[in-house]
This record gives sequence, structure tokens and C-alpha cells, in this order.
Amino acid sequence: SQTIHQWPATLVQPVGSPLSLECTVEGTSNPNLYWYRQAAGRGLQLLFYSVGIGQISSEVPQNLSASRPQDRQFILSSKKLLLSDSGFYLCAWSSFAGGTDTQYFGPGTRLTVL
Amino acid sequence: GDSVTQMEGPVTLSEEAFLTINCTYTATGYPSLFWYVQYPGEGLQLLLKATKADDKGSNKGFEATYRKETTSFHLEKGSVQVSDSAVYFCALSSKAAGNKLTFGGGTRVLVKP
Repeated sequence: SQTIHQWPATLVQPVGSPLSLECTVEGTSNPNLYWYRQAAGRGLQLLFYSVGIGQISSEVPQNLSASRPQDRQFILSSKKLLLSDSGFYLCAWSSFAGGTDTQYFGPGTRLTVL
Repeated sequence: GDSVTQMEGPVTLSEEAFLTINCTYTATGYPSLFWYVQYPGEGLQLLLKATKADDKGSNKGFEATYRKETTSFHLEKGSVQVSDSAVYFCALSSKAAGNKLTFGGGTRVLVKP
């Protein structure tokens, strides 16, 4: 069966510090991968998605970047965090099985920027 | 573009009550429809899905039917438990949008004993 991991689970960082969040998927090959952000009490915002190694699409211009160095690894980064980067970051994977592209989410990383 | 509208919460119920969360959508073509559930402090879990008109998705006592004529995918459960307290998200994906998910704003449900 497939599993998706995210770490760290919780992170508190000062403004202006760098960021690296990691997401890995097990039990599947060549998945589509996604990064979402969920601000407190709000819905989900798609940040990046990737259909393959080195292929990244950005949905919104911002302070963050993403990379996919391996087939099942997806990294979210920032060089300098802003207060507005605080939120709950969710990674998801999908495969086009049975004609439907269903996304499955990881446990999330809660980021607080102070 | 695609959009999903779901009822705002919070919805507060007593245990064993009937739950309905309304969800309507706007999309080109024939989208797939999903309900996700988020328990406090956790990620989203796929609750159920439907891929074509008149399909009924079901899981853990929850049901939703894909109604193309009313562009709706309402979530129902006949008898809720305290453990059903969570935020519920309706979502769609369409080929026209590259199979990316479009989410509703979420509905918080609180079940009291």
C-alpha cells in the first residue's frame, strides 16, 4: 500500500530564516505531487505541483519554491521566511488509476513564523 | 473557472442526529467529485468520491450522490457520533483544469454527546 510522509510535523522559525519541508511517498512510482497551504481557519491553497522529476509548476507567486530531486521526494523551500508564511503545509500525491486522478494527503507540517 | 460552494459552518449537532452538508459546483465537462475530512491537527483524508453522474460514493456511514442536473454532491450521514467532529471539504477535479483539485471552503462539524 502507498504511504506519504512529511517532516517535520511542527516547526517554529524566526522571520528571515530559511525553510525546508520534505515529503516522501512510498509504494508507488511516478506520482503527481502537490504542495498546499492551509491558513488558520481557511481553505486550501495549491502552491506547487509536479508531474515528474525536475518538473515544477507554480500556482501562485510567492516567497516559496519547490523541488523534486527524486521520483518520490518533494521539497518546499524558502530563503527568507515571512510572517505570512505561517500555516499548515500539506503534501499530496496522486495517480491516474481507473481514469480518476485521486489525491491522497500527508499528515502535514505546522509552521509558525515569529 | 471551476468552483465549489459548500455551506458555511460551524454545524453543531447532537449525537445520533442526521447530518447534511450541502455542496454545489461549477465546472466544464464532467468533473470527478470528492469529499475529504480533516480531523483536528491532521491532514486531509479521502472520505468518498464519485466519478460520473448518478454515482453514489459511500464510506463509514457517509453517502453522497453525484447529481449533474443540480450540480450538487451533498454529504449525508444518518446518525453521527462524537468522533465525526471534523472539518469536511467538498472538492472536484476536471480534465479541463489539468485534474487539479478545486476545494470548497470547508464545513466544521461539531457533534455533542
